[in-house]
Amino acid sequence: SQQGEEDPQALSIQEGENATMNCSYKTSINNLQWYRQNSGRGLVHLILIRSNEREKHSGRLRVTLDTSKKSSSLLITASRAADTASYFCATDTDKLIFGTGTRLQVFP
Amino acid sequence: GAVVSQHPSRVICKSGTSVKIECRSLDFQATTMFWYRQFPKQSLMLMATSNEGSKATYEQGVEKDKFLINHASLTLSTLTVTSAHPEDSSFYICSATLTVNYGYTFGSGTRLTVV
Repeated sequence: SQQGEEDPQALSIQEGENATMNCSYKTSINNLQWYRQNSGRGLVHLILIRSNEREKHSGRLRVTLDTSKKSSSLLITASRAADTASYFCATDTDKLIFGTGTRLQVFP
Repeated sequence: GAVVSQHPSRVICKSGTSVKIECRSLDFQATTMFWYRQFPKQSLMLMATSNEGSKATYEQGVEKDKFLINHASLTLSTLTVTSAHPEDSSFYICSATLTVNYGYTFGSGTRLTVV
């Protein structure tokens, strides 16, 4: 089952620019998490935001959560070529359900 | 930190044969394990949830007789793809958790190719 819809599906930017990815979901959640996946590799956990939190920061990452709109966003500031990867939101309802993902390409 | 080992990382098998994938929690007891499948350029789709000592709960559309899941101990879950077909070729990833608030730890995935 797929819980989250992400947009855009793909995003291409230059190094130094900011990248914003959005995630919408359908049901109540315990928390929402963001993951990164390099091509053909495993998942890297980026950040978790609880349902009673509205914003969270970690390094160059900023995540927001709006439970009334059932949406979240991930902002990567000052992007680098090494940020090129697929990014997934995942909603936690006692199991993790992943969104459709955004493929980010950062050009040097 | 919590570590989950998934083995093998890559496997090639012939059509009609069965393949077993193992998922082990190395430094914690995983009361619940999850199995996901990911086709190229797509997201992770949850296949099933398994609790130690209980039958797995399969997501809608996942054939339980084709994808056999065993979670016989608190540190090991296995996924067996039976009578594999080329369309079963995919990336399979497991994750494990101790409790709801413990967080999820993912294995590094298994790339299955059925020829």
